[in-house]
This record gives sequence, structure tokens and C-alpha cells, in this order.
Amino acid sequence: QLQLQESGPGLVKPSETLSLTCTVSSGSISSSSYYWGWIRQPPGKGLEWVGSVFYTGNTYYNPSFKSRVMMSVDTSTNQFSLRLSSVTAADTALYFCAKGLAYRGRYHVPFDYWGQGALVTISS
Amino acid sequence: DIVMTQSPDSLAVSLGERATINCKSSQSVLDSSSNQNYLAWYRQKPGQSPTLLIYWASTRESGVPDRVSGGGSGTDFTLTITSLQAEDVAVYYCQQYYTTPFTFGPGTKVDIK
Repeated sequence: QLQLQESGPGLVKPSETLSLTCTVSSGSISSSSYYWGWIRQPPGKGLEWVGSVFYTGNTYYNPSFKSRVMMSVDTSTNQFSLRLSSVTAADTALYFCAKGLAYRGRYHVPFDYWGQGALVTISS
Repeated sequence: DIVMTQSPDSLAVSLGERATINCKSSQSVLDSSSNQNYLAWYRQKPGQSPTLLIYWASTRESGVPDRVSGGGSGTDFTLTITSLQAEDVAVYYCQQYYTTPFTFGPGTKVDIK
């Protein structure tokens, strides 16, 4: 069974860069069948799609993050990563990594496997 | 962006009874060429990550019991849980993946009456 695990600092200072890594196990991140995504959830609130990335490095981002977001894939370690720069308190959230449903290698798909989430607090 | 709304915000249902959640999108999520609705439903139990229940508006994810079903097309969708069980207590979200940014509804909290 595919498993995803987020890791990274739980506390980031305002204006700095949030960096998270998702480790994929029991499956290859290099599959040509599906995308990988990041979704976040502020405490007590709903879900927000941050973006999706393919193993080739092809990315789709939520425009609400403008140029602050960057995602990448490291096939040698079976990991993918999220970087969010110039963070503010509004970026405090539980960050989930997830796998897109396999559907002809397309990114317009729901997410069928999720990590347990990593809480990132933005505070000085 | 496509705005997703859900109703009700919360509902309490007796064990064994039916729960129905509505989801509306601000524009159609139906791809006319494939006749597929790009609409998914998730369940998030307290302290857990979301799990996929339904996709393409009505396709049940593997392992999801058949008392959970999805329906609707275009802009109006429903999630129905017949014979509610204690394990169904959760927040339910709809999501459109028709166009980016993918967007989620605000969630509907289901409790036992």
C-alpha cells in the first residue's frame, strides 16, 4: 500500500521560506500515470490546493500563491518537495502531500492517497 | 476560480438513517466531450487526513461501502449516506478538479443525533 509522509520544520519565521518534503514509500514517484500534490488546511478550516507536480518536473500551481510557491521532484530519493517563500501568519496550516488518481497521466484528477499532514506554524 | 458551496453546514442524523449533503459549483464541471463530471467527495474524520470517497461525481473509490453514493451533474451534486453508522461521523468535502485552481467546498459536518 502506497504511503506518503511529510517532513520539515514545524516553525518558520515570518518572511522566511517554508520547506516541506514528502517521502513516498511502497511505490515509485517516477510513475508516468499520476501527479503528486500539496494541499493545506489552516487550523479549524477547510482545504486549499497549493499545486501539483509530475515526476518530470512539470508543475501546476494555485495562482493565489503567485510567485511564492515552487515544487520539485527528486526521483533518486522518491521524494517531492514544497517551498513557499515570504510566509506570513496566514500560511500557518496543516500541509498534506497527496497522490493524484491514476488517469492517463493527467493532472485533472482527485487525490486518492494522502499523508498524515505536517503542521507548520508561522511565528517569530 | 470555481467556487464550491455546500449545504447544510452541519447535520445530525440518527444511526441507520439517511444523510444527504449538497454541493454546488459556480460553473459547470461537466466535460461534454467525455461526459464526465470532474467532482470528488472526501471524508475527513477528526484528527485524520481526508480520504477519497467518490470521483467522477458517482464512481465509488475502492473499499468505500455501497451505502455511500454520489450523484448529480453540471453544477449540482449530492453525497448520500444511507444507514448512517458511527464511523461516518466526519466532515465531508466536495472538490472540483475540472480546472485549476482545484477548489474545495467549505465542508459539511455530520454527527449522530
